[in-house]
Amino acid sequence: GAVVSQHPSRVICKSGTSVKIECRSLDFQATTMFWYRQFPKKSLMLMATSNEGSKATYEQGVEKDKFLINHASLTLSTLTVTSAHPEDSSFYICSARLAEAKNIQYFGAGTRLSVL
Amino acid sequence: GNSVTQMEGPVTLSEEAFLTINCTYTATGYPSLFWYVQYPGEGLQLLLKATKADDKGSNKGFEATYRKETTSFHLEKGSVQVSDSAVYFCALSDLSQGGKLIFGQGTELSVKP
Repeated sequence: GAVVSQHPSRVICKSGTSVKIECRSLDFQATTMFWYRQFPKKSLMLMATSNEGSKATYEQGVEKDKFLINHASLTLSTLTVTSAHPEDSSFYICSARLAEAKNIQYFGAGTRLSVL
Repeated sequence: GNSVTQMEGPVTLSEEAFLTINCTYTATGYPSLFWYVQYPGEGLQLLLKATKADDKGSNKGFEATYRKETTSFHLEKGSVQVSDSAVYFCALSDLSQGGKLIFGQGTELSVKP
């Protein structure tokens, strides 16, 4: 149980386009989802916390207009990288947690974004 | 604030060697502690966890004990395999801080046949 699916696994896009990444909890309802960014050979940096039905809470230094997060249902959160530029190229990972187990997060497989 | 510090990698071992990856933490509350593993090109998988002092988490031959007196959660395995090659992340979650995961910097493990 507790499977999180992230799609797509890899995306290549041109500079200036927008890219949407989906994060789904397949067998549980996730009231909270998290979005992370990981640079090569680095740890994960929390970008934002997404609660179903409310606005996301962004970490300091993360541009909310650049990284749009929507959590419209208990099983789906999306991250849209708007007007992507080469510096946005990175590995993006989502996670989800159950309402009754707030200290455990289940991670998606990640999305490799390459902006040309 | 809360933080996690891991030993730097990469760690290179021969198959069947003993593994220790050190992890220490700083926390104001009573955190839960985790080890996550990341295989190349993949997301993170929960390896083991411990939610209170003296708890021992174990999975797939790996184990770690929550030591409050030394604020440590060192990962150990008695005999590593080539398939254990991955990056290992120590992390803590403090519910008083909203349950956010705080990660160490990761330790790359390479096991040679």
